[in-house]
Amino acid sequence: GDSVTQMEGPVTLSEEAFLTINCTYTATGYPSLFWYVQYPGEGLQLLLKATKADDKGSNKGFEATYRKETTSFHLEKGSVQVSDSAVYFCALRGSNTGKLIFGQGTTLQVKP
Amino acid sequence: GAGVSQSPSNKVTEKGKDVELRCDPISGHTALYWYRQSLGQGLEFLIYFQGNSAPDKSGLPSDRFSAERTGGSVSTLTIQRTQQEDSAVYLCASSPTGTSKETQYFGPGTRLLVL
Repeated sequence: GDSVTQMEGPVTLSEEAFLTINCTYTATGYPSLFWYVQYPGEGLQLLLKATKADDKGSNKGFEATYRKETTSFHLEKGSVQVSDSAVYFCALRGSNTGKLIFGQGTTLQVKP
Repeated sequence: GAGVSQSPSNKVTEKGKDVELRCDPISGHTALYWYRQSLGQGLEFLIYFQGNSAPDKSGLPSDRFSAERTGGSVSTLTIQRTQQEDSAVYLCASSPTGTSKETQYFGPGTRLLVL
């Protein structure tokens, strides 16, 4: 079945460091791919998405490119801030299903 | 506009009791989803509604779990004879029409603790 694998956390970075959180997936057909973020004490919210191969999603300085050849959707940010500290979830949705399938989440802690 | 709302925000119950969790989707959204977030299992899909019908119930963990949606709006997730392993945060989400490319908008969740 479809699945998503994220890099293990927690990830601890200093402010202004470069961030990469790896995400790979297994799916039949052409899924849509999403990154959701959960800030401390808050609900899940969409960070960015890409719905077809080679699309790049971007928001708040974060970017991810839908790579079908490597089945990946890695999240990147050039310069993280303390306020980016949160749990990040990679997710996919298949074209013939209603459900989102989530990775296990990666906790990011940014220190001043 | 108003987002997805869920009630109660917290629920503590005793093992063996029944609980009902409520979800109010974003107005006009025809698709509604239930998920569960727990420490051991991460984020798991439970059920998907399109209007009042549930074309995908594949994530419901046992027959103690059921859900309904009425009037194409409010949904209720019912857990009968609760067990300690049911303790989790139950999340509801909605999207405009249910296509695979749409963003699902999540509510704040109901934190359920079964003693």
